[in-house]
Amino acid sequence: QQQVRQSPQSLTVWEGETAILNCSYENSAFDYFPWYQQFPGEGPALLISILSVSDKKEDGRFTIFFNKREKKLSLHIADSQPGDSATYFCAATSGGNYKPTFGKGTSLVVHP
Amino acid sequence: GALVYQYPRRTICKSGTSMRMECQAVGFQATSVAWYRQSPQKTFELIALSTVNSAIKYEQNFTQEKFPISHPNLSFSSMTVLNAYLEDRGLYLCGAWTGSNTEVFFGKGTRLTVV
Repeated sequence: QQQVRQSPQSLTVWEGETAILNCSYENSAFDYFPWYQQFPGEGPALLISILSVSDKKEDGRFTIFFNKREKKLSLHIADSQPGDSATYFCAATSGGNYKPTFGKGTSLVVHP
Repeated sequence: GALVYQYPRRTICKSGTSMRMECQAVGFQATSVAWYRQSPQKTFELIALSTVNSAIKYEQNFTQEKFPISHPNLSFSSMTVLNAYLEDRGLYLCGAWTGSNTEVFFGKGTRLTVV
């Protein structure tokens, strides 16, 4: 059973557009949601994260919108740049049983 | 800063042989270390979670007999893939962190090819 689901599997946008990456989860106990960015040949690196007590988290061009009732969240990348082309993973965990569970990722391509 | 080093970066082994990979946390004390396998389709599979002062917990489909892990201190962990076969191919990632609800620092992974 996939506890964390991501969509779309792949996404292509033009430079300057906003890319929207979606994530949903099953376990109501999840309360911490980090997003990781992975470039080819590299390990994942934390991009931005949100706790379930918040409904929005911004960091520069990256914003997470969180809907606890619907168990959904999304990562918005504003003014997308070709350098943002990477695979983005949504993860979820709970403080009481901290074991990060990852989605299958969204592969983002930003065309110049 | 906090970094996680993994080595080797890539390795090739013959089917039925074993190989050992290592993970080292630098710049912080890792109270927990998780080993993941990332398939060519990018899916993460958690192999096992090792937390200080607790036994190593293996996920379903992964066993200590196949993937023995050593976590002797807060900065070092090693995992061996015993009797590797084609289905064991992938990128093995080590993630380490301190506490809970905190950033997981990943290494760049060990890519295992089985021939």
